[in-house]
Amino acid sequence: KNQVEQSPQSLIILEGKNCTLQCNYTVSPFSNLRWYKQDTGRGPVSLTIMTFSENTKSNGRYTATLDADTKQSSLHITASQLSDSASYICVVTLFSGGYNKLIFGAGTRLAVHP
Amino acid sequence: GAVVSQHPSWVICKSGTSVKIECRSLDFQATTMFWYRQFPKQSLMLMATSNEGSKATYEQGVEKDKFLINHASLTLSTLTVTSAHPEDSSFYICSARVTRRAGVDTQYFGPGTRLTVL
Repeated sequence: KNQVEQSPQSLIILEGKNCTLQCNYTVSPFSNLRWYKQDTGRGPVSLTIMTFSENTKSNGRYTATLDADTKQSSLHITASQLSDSASYICVVTLFSGGYNKLIFGAGTRLAVHP
Repeated sequence: GAVVSQHPSWVICKSGTSVKIECRSLDFQATTMFWYRQFPKQSLMLMATSNEGSKATYEQGVEKDKFLINHASLTLSTLTVTSAHPEDSSFYICSARVTRRAGVDTQYFGPGTRLTVL
């Protein structure tokens, strides 16, 4: 079964600290993996995208890693800011029927406190 | 580029009424758009795939007669929640797919519409 599992479900950190979010998936055939940031009451916004051959991708203070062998990904946030408070969703794309289908994780809710 | 808008951003309606939500791709054409529903503290759940000029494809468990989808142009898809009930209260998000080459496509998400049915 194609699934994406994220951990932790929620996380509270202090402003300025780093954190790492985890994503494990059982999706095949794998096309790519994206991390999205979703602010409360808003649509998801793409942070990073990685294909099978890529094992790291950075976007400012966000760094995503991918281990295609173990089917694990992580999102590392450096020097967190209050504006980083949001849900972070791991989305794995599988290639099916000529098109890509998105498999969503449940998300990690991050709260950054001053 | 690749901006997707939704209108309205929030709506409150009485039980039994119908509500229409619009999804527009502002700077590109999208033959395929998607409608998602998201309940509090849960992730997005795909409701249906909207194809321009043809009938939408609904996911298992989604009532097509209750959630009417029309994709009349390459930049506009609408979702109509008919005879809305309080359990239909949710956050509805659309996305539009851009295919850059075979096998490589990207979905761009709209900002969402908060529906509250009283």
